[in-house]
Amino acid sequence: ETGVTQTPRHLVMGMTNKKSLKCEQHLGHNAMYWYKQSAKKPLELMFVYNFKEQTENNSVPSRFSPECPNSSHLFLHLHTLQPEDSALYLCASSQSPGGSPETQYFGPGTRLLVL
Amino acid sequence: GQNIDQPTEMTATEGAIVQINCTYQTSGFNGLFWYQQHAGEAPTFLSYNVLDGLEEKGRFSSFLSRSKGYSYLLLKELQMKDSASYLCAVMDSNYQLIWGAGTKLIIKP
Repeated sequence: ETGVTQTPRHLVMGMTNKKSLKCEQHLGHNAMYWYKQSAKKPLELMFVYNFKEQTENNSVPSRFSPECPNSSHLFLHLHTLQPEDSALYLCASSQSPGGSPETQYFGPGTRLLVL
Repeated sequence: GQNIDQPTEMTATEGAIVQINCTYQTSGFNGLFWYQQHAGEAPTFLSYNVLDGLEEKGRFSSFLSRSKGYSYLLLKELQMKDSASYLCAVMDSNYQLIWGAGTKLIIKP
């Protein structure tokens, strides 16, 4: 049903591992977002890409590295994470990058557990 | 600072009506969104309000009062499938979404 897909859906990794999360949107949108969702906490915006260019980095630690090769694909590269990084990582997209109220459409998320 | 408040959890009975409140304090206002999120699934868009008043969409309605910094989501004729978390989010002056922590709604038969 959703036009935004994410893989993998679940990921367990050690603190020294390197892994990547993938997001793809099939909606023809121009903006893509990474959010972190922890239990009983508000969604935290991590990164925003507009037309493949990063426009927002909300003080995210460098162990999270985003990549946006084109308007349809977004990656989040993970390296030497901490147990407190365990959370649901959500990808979203919207038609326009900002300057107008646009609805964001979400993928199902990747449930990440860092051991 | 910017803040969105909504109850952590609510319980209601199948077939009944429930109102989920959301209050906000943000830097500017460009509309308020409600999303539904079933456990382990993507948040899905329910409604958008930018003007004061009530917007009705089937069994779901959303109300906004900008002067009071207040919104509610009204769910009628509750069904078991309505058990989910309901997220309130306000778009601030920079067109960024500020999110509440969500309200977990439990529907009992």
